Formats: sequence, structure tokens, C-alpha cells
Amino acid sequence: KNEVEQSPQNLTAQEGEFITINCSYSVGISALHWLQQHPGGGIVSLFMLSSGKKKHGRLIATINIQEKHSSLHITASHPRDSAVYICAVSKGREGSQGNLIFGKGTKLSVKP
Amino acid sequence: GAVVSQHPSRVICKSGTSVKIECRSLDFQATTMFWYRQFPKQSLMLMATSNEGSKATYEQGVEKDKFLINHASLTLSTLTVTSAHPEDSSFYICSGHAGGVQETQYFGPGTRLLVL
Repeated sequence: KNEVEQSPQNLTAQEGEFITINCSYSVGISALHWLQQHPGGGIVSLFMLSSGKKKHGRLIATINIQEKHSSLHITASHPRDSAVYICAVSKGREGSQGNLIFGKGTKLSVKP
Repeated sequence: GAVVSQHPSRVICKSGTSVKIECRSLDFQATTMFWYRQFPKQSLMLMATSNEGSKATYEQGVEKDKFLINHASLTLSTLTVTSAHPEDSSFYICSGHAGGVQETQYFGPGTRLLVL
């Protein structure tokens, strides 16, 4: 079993829909990251969080440390949001950034 | 966010040759740089961690003599794939970290390597 599991693997939505991507992990972490990978391969870091909730524009990330679960929400989705969204966790002590463990990603396709 | 560049963006080489990939942090000093590899439809896998001025730490299963990493300055790390084989064909991504508990990693755009 992978240490970081994402669901769903693939997601197709209509423009304007509210989208949720889930991430569960089974190890102790110092932080959880949500990343966005576009078709060309480049990766953008969306959020790094260790508790609570963060919001940036139409994106919201939440984490429940006790349940070892995080969600990424996209409000008013748009075709340009189409990408692979990757959940990754930093293991070990706080500030120990090196050992990122990645989920397999969720491929999101937003149709106009 | 901070910017990390990689060069080249894609490279095709013959089997047995060596390929060097550069990773630069353009607007911050990366005390630590990470090299990842991603095979098609797979997760990113950490290959090695390099700190400026010291030897890289390689993950289990990654041959340090095959994947040479140099982190000569706070803004530049290089990965050299020596004696490349077709199975080395992959997408290589670097990231930089400025240090500090609250800092995230900033990823480069990646280098797609095809070994013929």
C-alpha cells in the first residue's frame, strides 16, 4: 500500500463545477504539499500546510492531522485548471523538507 | 513564487553518452536542491538531495556513480547522467529549497531525456 493515496485518479468536470480531490497518508508528516503539474511537465507548488486550511484564489486546501487526510477544492472550475494535481508529504521532523513522498496524482479535465 | 530553471528542456542522446542537466534558482539562494525522476504515468521519485558545497545524498537504488550531482553554488546544481542507457529515458525535475521551516520547494520545469 502506498504511503500517500489520492482519489480519484481521474476526474472530469464541467466548467463551473466545484471540485474536490482527496489525499490520505499513513506516515507521520511535518507538512503536506499540493502540487499542480501541467501537460508539459512543469510543476507548481500550490500549497504547503501542516494544519487547518489555506486559500488562494479559487483554490482551498484543508488538512486533518488526526485523520491523516487532506482535500484540495477548486471552486468555479475552469478549463485552464485541467492538470494533474499531486499530493506530497514531507516526512520527519518539522523543517525536514527533503523526503517528499508523492501520491500518484489526480488527472483533472475541465470541459467548457 | 520563486523561480527555478532547468536546461535543457529536452535532450535526445545516443546510448553510452553522458548528459548534463542544469538546475538554477533564479531569484533565491537554494541551500538544498533535490533531483527527482518521473517515469510515464508514475509518481515523482526522489533521486538525491544536494546541499551546496557538500556531497549529495542518494536515495536507495540510485547509483551515485551513474547520476553525478554537483551543487557548486547556492544557485546552481547539475545532474550528469553518465553512460546513458535507454532505461534512463525519463523526465528529470529539480527543485530548490531556501531553508527555513515555512519554506516550500520550488520546482523546475523539468528535462525530458530520451536515450536511443
